[in-house]
Amino acid sequence: DTTVKQNPRYKLARVGKPVNLICSQTMNHDTMYWYQKKPNQAPKLLLFYYDKILNREADTFEKFQSSRPNNSFCSLYIGSAGLEYSAMYLCASSRDRGGEQYFGPGTRLTVL
Amino acid sequence: GEKVEQHESTLSVREGDSAVINCTYTDTASSYFPWYKQEAGKGLHFVIDIRSNVDRKQSQRLIVLLDKKAKRFSLHITATQPEDSAIYFCAASGIASSSFSKLVFGQGTSLSVVP
Repeated sequence: DTTVKQNPRYKLARVGKPVNLICSQTMNHDTMYWYQKKPNQAPKLLLFYYDKILNREADTFEKFQSSRPNNSFCSLYIGSAGLEYSAMYLCASSRDRGGEQYFGPGTRLTVL
Repeated sequence: GEKVEQHESTLSVREGDSAVINCTYTDTASSYFPWYKQEAGKGLHFVIDIRSNVDRKQSQRLIVLLDKKAKRFSLHITATQPEDSAIYFCAASGIASSSFSKLVFGQGTSLSVVP
């Protein structure tokens, strides 16, 4: 099974409220990624876990948190959503850091 | 850091013709160049990749060309079919803030194959 699952598929949030998105994979991949994608823009890497080590991109360091309680699950947490967080959030996983990435269907977040 | 430009935002071809999508990158250290396809309502799906030790790779109707000198790579879809209609993203490996490699994506090309 090469499926990456994401929950929920659609999320509506109020400005200032927290948001928690979930991703899971059963391929025993050691790396899991979170990307943000806005319309007509390239997917943008937010952060990734290599095993238990979290790596956050410098320009998104303070905006997003993540946890990986076990190899299969990874969450993306926004402490206080702003309008600019409205986007598609894509989770991906790979067997190693430089290999093919398998993507989930995405969670469409709308912040009102 | 690495920047990837995808030159065609939309592309329309007749069924049976070839489609070509072009990308350029900036970091000479990039060595891995995958292509992803996104169909409506779905996530990105890997289609083909090329590494910098070769300049051509083919998988069935898909051909990827890499010109390291020009820092350019392209996806050729031959004998296009309606099911090839999708958004295609190119990507190049770059260095993340943590010094691990990461993929930098182009903005996507929406390909329409018309009967």
